[in-house]
Amino acid sequence: DTGVSQDPRHKITKRGQNVTFRCDPISEHNRLYWYRQTLGQGPEFLTYFQNEAQLEKSRLLSDRFSAERPKGSFSTLEIQRTEQGDSAMYLCASSLALGAGELFFGEGSRLTVL
Amino acid sequence: KQEVTQIPAALSVPEGENLVLNCSFTDSAIYNLQWFRQDPGKGLTSLLLIQSSQREQTSGRLNASLDKSSGRSTLYIAASQPGDSATYLCAAGRANSKLTFGKGITLSVRP
Repeated sequence: DTGVSQDPRHKITKRGQNVTFRCDPISEHNRLYWYRQTLGQGPEFLTYFQNEAQLEKSRLLSDRFSAERPKGSFSTLEIQRTEQGDSAMYLCASSLALGAGELFFGEGSRLTVL
Repeated sequence: KQEVTQIPAALSVPEGENLVLNCSFTDSAIYNLQWFRQDPGKGLTSLLLIQSSQREQTSGRLNASLDKSSGRSTLYIAASQPGDSATYLCAAGRANSKLTFGKGITLSVRP
């Protein structure tokens, strides 16, 4: 296993379209996190899962955003009716629930909404 | 609510210089503190993690320290190289591994 994998790496879409991002965590990691990062800012927490349970969601996650982790392995983040303000890098990270809690990030999925 | 601050936002140094990057946080009840490196357009690479019971961690030319009582962490880079040019982010962690990030320090090492 080489780390956290995200797909697609880049997505350009028109305003109003739906987009979906996928994240495959490190195989033995039971926690999975989604963050959003805009230019010049640090990543902001969106949501996290422990196994298949979504345990916390940020207020940044509007009704147009939904995340799933159906079998406790990979996760998807869907954005419906995209807006220009959704343009950002969407980062996925994973960790073990026990231990030091070190997070490992993927390369991110960059979304551009025209 | 945890707030993490990194000042300055950018730093330029000549090659070979030893340097210190600062990070401050408002809530001392942290579980851990992580330092990351980010290259332009890329994801985050974990550099060092300091657990709340520890004072410092070292990896190669990097040394990170943690002072919970004063709400400060530093990342020391020895003998800087042009390849160290990147953005360095610190993040304060809770027990569920949720991180609160600073905005990062963009480091440029001049040959």
